[in-house]
Amino acid sequence: GQNIDQPTEMTATEGAIVQINCTYQTSGFNGLFWYQQHAGEAPTFLSYNVLDGLEEKGRFSSFLSRSKGYSYLLLKELQMKDSASYLCATGDTDKLIFGTGTRLQVFP
Amino acid sequence: DGGITQSPKYLFRKEGQNVTLSCEQNLNHDAMYWYRQDPGQGLRLIYYSQIVNDFQKGDIAEGYSVSREKKESFPLTVTSAQKNPTAFYLCASSIWGIDNEQFFGPGTRLTVL
Repeated sequence: GQNIDQPTEMTATEGAIVQINCTYQTSGFNGLFWYQQHAGEAPTFLSYNVLDGLEEKGRFSSFLSRSKGYSYLLLKELQMKDSASYLCATGDTDKLIFGTGTRLQVFP
Repeated sequence: DGGITQSPKYLFRKEGQNVTLSCEQNLNHDAMYWYRQDPGQGLRLIYYSQIVNDFQKGDIAEGYSVSREKKESFPLTVTSAQKNPTAFYLCASSIWGIDNEQFFGPGTRLTVL
């Protein structure tokens, strides 16, 4: 079966760097997604990793280690608008399984 | 503009009534999905469809039904058999294949009184 774990809440200061971790157990791995979801809104795609290593996309980077079942999302130069939930998801045959999400609060 | 739409944004129903949530996409995507989200929880899959006239149960299908008569449309009916229907419902679509990004609609917040 599938199991995904991520911290429930994190706080950080504007301008800082924050790392959101995600660990997963899966019977078959089909890549790992990160989505951002502002309160009351739809999730939006941030990144997809299928190979080990770091993928950088502007202020956001995502890392994957398949042997460790581990990923993280790195957010640099935090802005107030980055306050949101960050959802980690991985594939299970023909559907995605989502973690419960990490709620990030950015303070001035 | 291409996208995925859900209506209405807010919906109120009395206990015991069936209610249908609409989901339409003009992205020409084969796959469509329905998720439920409760406060402090992640997305849980209700039903999904990979092709017209075919759909599969997700992890929490009991009390829900769907149809996929057209590629663009994937309505979800919340029946009176669903014991705790008050939630935020999200529809998504993607190109077929689990390694493809899912695009989400704005969601429908259903409150059953």
